This record gives sequence, structure tokens and C-alpha cells, in this order.
Amino acid sequence: DIQMTQSPSTLSASVGDRVTITCRASQSISSWLAWYQQKPGKAPKLLIYKASSLESGVPSRFSGSGSGTEFTLTISSLQPDDFATYYCQQYNSWWTFGQGTKVEIK
Amino acid sequence: EVQLVESGGGLVKPGGSLRLSCAASGFTFSSYSMNWVRQAPGKGLEWVSSISSSSSYIYYADSVKGRFTISRDNAKNSLYLQMNSLRAEDTAVYYCARAAAGMTADYWGQGTLVTVSS
Repeated sequence: DIQMTQSPSTLSASVGDRVTITCRASQSISSWLAWYQQKPGKAPKLLIYKASSLESGVPSRFSGSGSGTEFTLTISSLQPDDFATYYCQQYNSWWTFGQGTKVEIK
Repeated sequence: EVQLVESGGGLVKPGGSLRLSCAASGFTFSSYSMNWVRQAPGKGLEWVSSISSSSSYIYYADSVKGRFTISRDNAKNSLYLQMNSLRAEDTAVYYCARAAAGMTADYWGQGTLVTVSS
């Protein structure tokens, strides 16, 4: 099974900050990597698919990069609506999610 | 507008059974693979099962294999998850999610809570 490891688990940041979250796969997944945002009591929302493709309607301050085993999600300028938990997910072989990164207010 | 609405969750005793449903609307249901993903209270996301658009391909996570059965009825635009031999560790919010071919989940339902407790 492919394991996904995110870092950090928690991130404290301020509005306007540039934020980067890292995700590592236990084996190569090419670019079959997605990023989701989840707020309390809500379903996950797709932000990025195929490592770097922005889902329709998602603000351009979100971007993704990487391939193989190393991936990053970047929020260029953190907005109040962005405080949430973020998950990476591989879909190269079934689906596996990272453990999540909670972005909280500093 | 794409909508996925789960139902059927509730409180069940260990060893019991439950059948979840997911009603789909706003898209051509028969063109998408469908999936169940769960989230235990305060925990992360765990993929449970997937079924292809025509039900030809079905996959399960090891944690539910042999106990859960996924199915769909394209005529009724509905997805199901039959859960048997339930355990305390199956307690979670269960989400249904659609995925286009070669893609990952782009729309999710609001989830239904399953609690396994005596």
C-alpha cells in the first residue's frame, strides 16, 4: 500500500502569509496527487488535482507542485477563509490520504 | 447542480448491520465511478470502497473487505454500502464521492454518521 505523509501536522500563520504544506509518498505516484480543504463539519473540497491543476472555482492563490514522491501545496497569501485542514491524496493505486495539516490562526 | 445526499446512518450494536445510500442528481450518474470515504471522529480521511460506472470493477480497503459490499443502481441514480459485522472502529462519518475516469473525487456528499456502540 502507498503511504502518504504530510508535514507539518499543524501550522500557525497570519493573514497574508505565504504557506507551504509538504506531502511525501512512500513510492512514486507520478502526478496522481490531489489536495483537499476541509472545514469542521463539512465535506472535503477539491483544490488541486494531478499535482498542479487548479480545480474550477478555486482561487489562484492556491497552487500545487511536485511529481514522483514529493509534493507541495502553497497558499500565496493566506486569507481568513483559508483556515482549515488540508489533506493530500494519492490516486495512483486506490486512494490514500495524508494525515492532514491544520492551518490555524497565529 | 451536482448533489450527493447520503442517508442510512445511525446507532448500531457491534456485530450489527447497516445499509447506507447515496442519492445522486445533477449529473449523468452512470458515467462516473462512485466511492465511499469515511472519517472517524477527530481523525483523517480513509478510503473505503470504489465501484466503476458499470459495476464491472469493485475495490475495498483491507479494513472492510469481507464485511462491506458496495453496489449501485444506475436506473435509480443511487449508490449503496451494505455494512455487516460492524465494529467500534467502523464508527465514522461516511461520505459518498464521485470520480470521473482517471480522476479523483470532485464532488462529495455531506456525509452520514455511523456509530457502532453497545
